[in-house]
Amino acid sequence: DIQMTQSPSSLSASVGDRVTITCRASQAINNYLAWFQQKPGKAPKSLIYAASSLQTGVPSKFSGSRSGTDFTLTISSLQPEDFATYYCQQYNSYPLTFGGGTKVEIK
Amino acid sequence: EVQLVESGGGLVQPGGSLRLSCAASGFTFSNYAMSWVRQVPGKGLEWVSAITGSGASTYYAVSVKGRFTISRDNSKNTVYLQISTLRADDTAVYYCAILDSSGYWGQGTLVTVSS
Repeated sequence: DIQMTQSPSSLSASVGDRVTITCRASQAINNYLAWFQQKPGKAPKSLIYAASSLQTGVPSKFSGSRSGTDFTLTISSLQPEDFATYYCQQYNSYPLTFGGGTKVEIK
Repeated sequence: EVQLVESGGGLVQPGGSLRLSCAASGFTFSNYAMSWVRQVPGKGLEWVSAITGSGASTYYAVSVKGRFTISRDNSKNTVYLQISTLRADDTAVYYCAILDSSGYWGQGTLVTVSS
């Protein structure tokens, strides 16, 4: 099974900060990596697919990148509506697996 | 507009069974593999099971294999999750989702296992 190691598990940031979240896959997954945002009591919302492609309607302050088996989600300028928990997920092979999540909190 | 609507959750006693349903609309249902994902309140996301578009292949997490059964009816645009021999640690919100480049999720249905 492919393990997705996400870091950090939580972070505190201020409005306007640039935030970076990392996910490392335990083996090659090509670009089959998605990022989701989840707010309390709500279903996850897809932000990025194929490591770096933005879902329709997602603001361009969100971006994704890949270096080998390391994947990064960047929020260029954190806004109040961005405080949430973020998850990565690989869809290269079954069983599908998620990272443990990163809770982004207000400093 | 893509919609995934789960139903069937509720309170069930340990050892009991439940069938969850997910009604899909807004896309060609038979073209997409469907997954179930669960989330214990306050915890992370756990993929549970998936079924290919034709229904020919199914996949399960080790934690549920042998107790959960996924199926679909492409004539009804619905995917199901039969969950049996329920345990307290199966208590969670269960989401159906398309976990490829599409990234669509339903709103979830809560399953509570308690006596």
